[in-house]
Amino acid sequence: SQTIHQWPATLVQPVGSPLSLECTVEGTSNPNLYWYRQAAGRGLQLLFYSVGIGQISSEVPQNLSASRPQDRQFILSSKKLLLSDSGFYLCAWTGVFSSSSYNSPLHFGNGTRLTVT
Amino acid sequence: DQQVKQNSPSLSVQEGRISILNCDYTNSMFDYFLWYKKYPAEGPTFLISISSIKDKNEDGRFTVFLNKSAKHLSLHIVPSQPGDSAVYFCAAIDRDDKIIFGKGTRLHILP
Repeated sequence: SQTIHQWPATLVQPVGSPLSLECTVEGTSNPNLYWYRQAAGRGLQLLFYSVGIGQISSEVPQNLSASRPQDRQFILSSKKLLLSDSGFYLCAWTGVFSSSSYNSPLHFGNGTRLTVT
Repeated sequence: DQQVKQNSPSLSVQEGRISILNCDYTNSMFDYFLWYKKYPAEGPTFLISISSIKDKNEDGRFTVFLNKSAKHLSLHIVPSQPGDSAVYFCAAIDRDDKIIFGKGTRLHILP
């Protein structure tokens, strides 16, 4: 069966420090991968998504970047954190959607609570 | 520009009654819709989905209705149970596999 691992669960970082959050998926190949952030009053905001190795689509101009060095690995990074980067970060994956039926809902990791101080 | 809108931040419903959660969208190119439920400090869990070629999908206590002409969908939960208290997110998928969520509606089931 497929599983998604996201770590760490919580993180407290000072302003200006770097960030690296890692997400890996097991039990599937060529997944679509997504990074979302949940912040108060903003719901689940799509940050990045990737449909293949090295393919990253950025949705929101921000202080963050994403990389997909391997098929089932998705990394969220920042060179210098801002206070506004605090939030609950969620990694998710889906299988490749078929053209005839979307039968692969989005599966989320357990999230990382990031507090920038 | 918010493409998926959940205009009710919260909703309170008596236990045993029907809960109706609403969602509107602006992009007519969305062709698949999802509903997720989320508890604090956890990842969202999938509830139910609907393709744009259908107008209704039912799974146990959960039914999703889609009105394409109005660009509106709704999630019905009946009967509502205490464990249904959570934040519910509506999401839409476009043809580039981008998945966009609304801001969520917090559902409170009252005893």
